[in-house]
Amino acid sequence: EIVLTQSPGTLSLSPGERATLSCRASQTISSSYLVWYQQKPGQAPRLLIYGASSRPTGIPDRFSGSGSGTDFTLTIGGLEPEDFAVYYCQQFDKSPYTFGQGTKLEIK
Amino acid sequence: EVQLVESGGGLVKPGGSLRLSCAASGFSFSSYSMNWVRQAPGKGLEWVSSISSSRNYIYYADSVKGRFTISRDNARNSLYLQMDSLRAEDSAVYYCAKDMFRGVKPDAFDIWGQGTTVTVSS
Repeated sequence: EIVLTQSPGTLSLSPGERATLSCRASQTISSSYLVWYQQKPGQAPRLLIYGASSRPTGIPDRFSGSGSGTDFTLTIGGLEPEDFAVYYCQQFDKSPYTFGQGTKLEIK
Repeated sequence: EVQLVESGGGLVKPGGSLRLSCAASGFSFSSYSMNWVRQAPGKGLEWVSSISSSRNYIYYADSVKGRFTISRDNARNSLYLQMDSLRAEDSAVYYCAKDMFRGVKPDAFDIWGQGTTVTVSS
């Protein structure tokens, strides 16, 4: 099973600041199969990034993804109040299609 | 509008069974792999199972293998999860989710339902 480890567990920042979230895989995965989601309390997750760096239609360009191999990063440039949420990475390289444990982005 | 609506959750005793349903609308259901993901109270997301568009490829998490069965009815635009031998640790919100691309294996979950809650308790 591929284990995804997200860091930090909690990130405290102010609106306008830049957020950098990490997702590290226990083995090399194809960039094509690494995605990021955002989840707000009481809501279903929302797809932010697929294929490590591509944004679906409607996702603001302040969200960007990068990385390859075992190390992937989600960057949120210029935090808006609505960006404070929990973020998860997920891999689809091999079943089981595991999630990371999540990073909570909170307002400082 | 693309939409997924889950139903069938509820309270069930340990060892019992439950069948979840997910009704899809607004897209060509038969063309996409579909999936179940769960989230225990206060915990993270856990992938549960996936089924390809033509039902040829089915995958399960080890935690549910042998107890849960995923299925779909493309004529009814519906996805199902039959859950047997339920345990307390199966208590969670269960989401159905659509694959983003028309492929054989899952790739990204671009549409999610609102979830249905399963509670396993005596």
